[in-house]
Amino acid sequence: QVQLQESGPGLLKPSETLSLTCTVSGGSLSYYYWSWIRQPPGKGLEWIGYIYYSGGTKYTPSFKSRVSISIDTSKNQISLNLTSVTAADTARYYCVRGEPHDIWGHGTMVTVSS
Amino acid sequence: SSELTQDPAMSVALGQTVRITCQGDTLRTHFASWYQQKPGQAPVPVIFAKNTRPSGIPDRFSGSTSGNTASLTISGAQAEDEADYYCNSRDSSGNYRVFGGGTKLTVL
Repeated sequence: QVQLQESGPGLLKPSETLSLTCTVSGGSLSYYYWSWIRQPPGKGLEWIGYIYYSGGTKYTPSFKSRVSISIDTSKNQISLNLTSVTAADTARYYCVRGEPHDIWGHGTMVTVSS
Repeated sequence: SSELTQDPAMSVALGQTVRITCQGDTLRTHFASWYQQKPGQAPVPVIFAKNTRPSGIPDRFSGSTSGNTASLTISGAQAEDEADYYCNSRDSSGNYRVFGGGTKLTVL
């Protein structure tokens, strides 16, 4: 059974860089798209971007200048970097497999506060 | 503003049928998928693409599209169907994904 586990710092200060890792267990990264999706407290889902297993990426325009997603097939990991964070980036961040999104991690909560 | 529009809240009597809609021009060319989210939990897919139910999803859930509107129908709603429901599809350029704002479904 494929499982996704997000990890990273739970608290950041404004202007810092958010770095999250998603570790995939029970399956391969191959032939799938891997997305990051976030959800601010009490609000809806927001799609950030995806990476294909071979390395191609797409990002939502509103994030494009700040975001990068990378993949490490040797470690079965996908990473998210988001630069210059503000309080508006406070959210639960989900790692998700597939197009459409068939398997979700539990998410990791990130709070941006001074 | 989102390219996909959903009603913020709906209600349905136990055992009755409810249709949750998602509107957007992109739906004329791209299928919608639907996700159910209960409080404190990650979203769970209930409908993929045109009308495909993932394994384990009851057959009371179905999907359809007409013009610029995608619909998720729950036939015979159960108490456990009370949740937030989000539609998801490609943006108008086809380059990335977008979510609707979500519909909070209450089962009375």
